Amino acid sequence: EAGVVQSPRYKIIEKKQPVAFWCNPISGHNTLYWYRQNLGQGPELLIRYENEEAVDDSQLPKDRFSAERLKGVDSTLKIQPAELGDSAVYLCASSVTDGDFEAFFGQGTRLTVV
Amino acid sequence: AQSVTQLDSHVSVSEGTPVLLRCNYSSSYSPSLFWYVQHPNKGLQLLLKYTSAATLVKGINGFEAEFKKSETSFHLTKPSAHMSDAAEYFCVVSNTGFQKLVFGTGTRLLVSP
Repeated sequence: EAGVVQSPRYKIIEKKQPVAFWCNPISGHNTLYWYRQNLGQGPELLIRYENEEAVDDSQLPKDRFSAERLKGVDSTLKIQPAELGDSAVYLCASSVTDGDFEAFFGQGTRLTVV
Repeated sequence: AQSVTQLDSHVSVSEGTPVLLRCNYSSSYSPSLFWYVQHPNKGLQLLLKYTSAATLVKGINGFEAEFKKSETSFHLTKPSAHMSDAAEYFCVVSNTGFQKLVFGTGTRLLVSP
């Protein structure tokens, strides 16, 4: 069974440029999460989707970050414009709907803003 | 608010010796607690979870953890380290199952031959 797939794996951009990350969750998983992991830290939740609805986006910096999950499957996380402090690993995870089911993580996208 | 504190940023052991990774938690409610492992260039993998059943939880690859409410601890142990155990380990707390995981800062386990 394929796991959570993220692309690209690495991205280097100049500050003030836009960037987008893509996530394909495990088939049949209705819940999708985006986490951000700063260097030397644990991941922090940015947003959680149940199907196509964002049910928890309280930690998403909405002035520059946006996310969408069209048709309740794939998801895209966008940053515009990027700042130096956005350099981090962006992780996508998915699970069967219901909090008791394990969340499976992708390998992440490492973003470097220069 | 809930949080976890991983008491060691790095732990070094020799292959074949016991592993102890320490974690203390803070939660206003009865928490769920997890340990995740992150190998280089790989996704986070769940090792084990505690969800108010047995206080001694067994996970994959010979790891186990004991929930101690009186000490607010959830330390991860393994009787004998293997070279393949070298990785970053995260202690995680949640009041909502897997819906909102709160991660610690991680402990890097180094295993020497």
